[in-house]
Amino acid sequence: EAGVAQSPRYKIIEKRQSVAFWCNPISGHATLYWYQQILGQGPKLLIQFQNNGVVDDSQLPKDRFSAERLKGVDSTLKIQPAKLEDSAVYLCASSLPPSQFTEAFFGQGTRLTVV
Amino acid sequence: KQEVTQIPAALSVPEGENLVLNCSFTDSAIYNLQWFRQDPGKGLTSLLLIQSSQREQTSGRLNASLDKSSGRSTLYIAASQPGDSATYLCAGLTGTASKLTFGTGTRLQVTL
Repeated sequence: EAGVAQSPRYKIIEKRQSVAFWCNPISGHATLYWYQQILGQGPKLLIQFQNNGVVDDSQLPKDRFSAERLKGVDSTLKIQPAKLEDSAVYLCASSLPPSQFTEAFFGQGTRLTVV
Repeated sequence: KQEVTQIPAALSVPEGENLVLNCSFTDSAIYNLQWFRQDPGKGLTSLLLIQSSQREQTSGRLNASLDKSSGRSTLYIAASQPGDSATYLCAGLTGTASKLTFGTGTRLQVTL
């Protein structure tokens, strides 16, 4: 079974530039998460999709961050314009609908450095 | 709103020691609790998933327990090895919307 795929693995950009990250979840997983993990901290949920609908985006800085999940499969997360404090690892995860058996699977993450 | 806390934030032990990592959560209405391992610069690897109906789960040298009534989970690592050095994160799954909330992690170093 293929895992969660993310690209790129690494990205270095200058502040005020734009960047986009891509995620392909495990086939059949309706739930997709984007997390931001700043060095030394636990992952913070940015946005959660159920199929192609947004379930939770309460912590997404909507003035600069946007995300979409077309056709309920792949997803992209965009930052425009980037700030220095956006330097972090961006993690994508997917899972089946909630039950006690539901396990979340994570991709390798994208490490973003804003200089 | 679920809040997850992990203690200690960092831990250093000599090789061969048994150790316990702690995870506390505020909302006991969880579907399950997952423990993850994260190596520097890498993504998250799932170690164990404890269902809400279970008390513990074992995988090799790892044993995780869950006490919903007290809002606590522990990860026990037996006979620690230098290769166990990593950050360990716990996360609780709650709500009809599958909200997955993480703790801040415990950074473990196992020394020779």
